[in-house]
Amino acid sequence: GENVEQHPSTLSVQEGDSAVIKCTYSDSASNYFPWYKQELGKRPQLIIDIRSNVGEKKDQRIAVTLNKTAKHFSLHITETQPEDSAVYFCAASIGVQFYFGTGTSLTVIP
Amino acid sequence: DGGITQSPKYLFRKEGQNVTLSCEQNLNHDAMYWYRQDPGQGLRLIYYSQIVNDFQKGDIAEGYSVSREKKESFPLTVTSAQKNPTAFYLCASSKTSGVLAQYFGPGTRLLVL
Repeated sequence: GENVEQHPSTLSVQEGDSAVIKCTYSDSASNYFPWYKQELGKRPQLIIDIRSNVGEKKDQRIAVTLNKTAKHFSLHITETQPEDSAVYFCAASIGVQFYFGTGTSLTVIP
Repeated sequence: DGGITQSPKYLFRKEGQNVTLSCEQNLNHDAMYWYRQDPGQGLRLIYYSQIVNDFQKGDIAEGYSVSREKKESFPLTVTSAQKNPTAFYLCASSKTSGVLAQYFGPGTRLLVL
């Protein structure tokens, strides 16, 4: 089955700097790649997603890039703010089956 | 995500007791899922269902059971066979065609007395 690896597991950045989280997947049949933000004790919230026929997608300070050949995708957060501090999960889906990465704990230092 | 509800928010289980976690959605989604999240860890799939009266085991189904009698509802029972049930349980739903984004409920925290 699909295997999704996520790096780094923890990330600290200064407020205003950029943060990048990377994920790799193993199954070329994966065709949808969402990113979730989870604050402590809360539900994961979908923040951005990308389909396999698109290479990049941007929404204000957040962007996702996808390299199908290399089977990796990345989340980019620019101009980070303290409220960006949370755990971020990537996922890859094959049909209705979703495979999640193990999460990245992002801390934005004021 | 506002269309998925879970209850209760906190649940306490005694030894040998079965408990049931509720999940309801009004998003008209065909697929529903149950995940377990342990502290500092990712999401592990317990069960999922693509259609009423049908469901499949995920990676950690042992000690759990589900039913899907209605499209809107996907309750999870944590049986006494689950020896380490303390965790945060998340229900999710998605479409089965088109945009497949998965949306999560607010979660139920299960604690063992």
